[in-house]
Amino acid sequence: NAGVTQTPKFQVLKTGQSMTLQCAQDMNHNSMYWYRQDPGMGLRLIYYSASEGTTDKGEVPNGYNVSRLNKREFSLRLESAAPSQTSVYFCASSRGQGGDQPQHFGDGTRLSIL
Amino acid sequence: RKEVEQDPGPFNVPEGATVAFNCTYSNSASQSFFWYRQDCRKEPKLLMSVYSSGNEDGRFTAQLNRASQYISLLIRDSKLSDSATYLCAVGLRSSASKIIFGSGTRLSIRP
Repeated sequence: NAGVTQTPKFQVLKTGQSMTLQCAQDMNHNSMYWYRQDPGMGLRLIYYSASEGTTDKGEVPNGYNVSRLNKREFSLRLESAAPSQTSVYFCASSRGQGGDQPQHFGDGTRLSIL
Repeated sequence: RKEVEQDPGPFNVPEGATVAFNCTYSNSASQSFFWYRQDCRKEPKLLMSVYSSGNEDGRFTAQLNRASQYISLLIRDSKLSDSATYLCAVGLRSSASKIIFGSGTRLSIRP
């Protein structure tokens, strides 16, 4: 019973490098989300996908791109990593498209940009 | 003013004590409310949804006060294993899938 799976778990990048964080859910959920969590800042929404084929910006989208590859998968790409993007990244999914559905989280990707 | 606010704590209480913390929200149209628990270096996990009539799950009780725009979480007979950060989350049914999370309240239970 995997739930939400994120890869990789840890990554160290140099400034300017690119990478893609992968996320997949096996709960047949419609909506998926990417958050970053920094000390004292709580969870901040980067991008979300209300349903397959749609994506929208969240609170802090600059420097990121996303792809909803299919209903199961939602990837987050850093085109040119910056030290300010050092953070813990969480992917989440929820059953419905409205804000009334609880979200289920993957176990996170710890990303360091040097 | 933040949309969802929590006292960051830490709340440091002895084992067996009762502890309660609140979470205030600014949007009066909010319709869904949740409490999450997050252990150190782990992902948030849904603890309970908060219903208008309040709800209880074992030692945990959640309440909603719409008039004053806050939700509360009460933990009775606290255990060492309750030490964690508790995040509240507030959503709008009319919005496109967005839930707003508070920054969390850190709880530490001492023996």
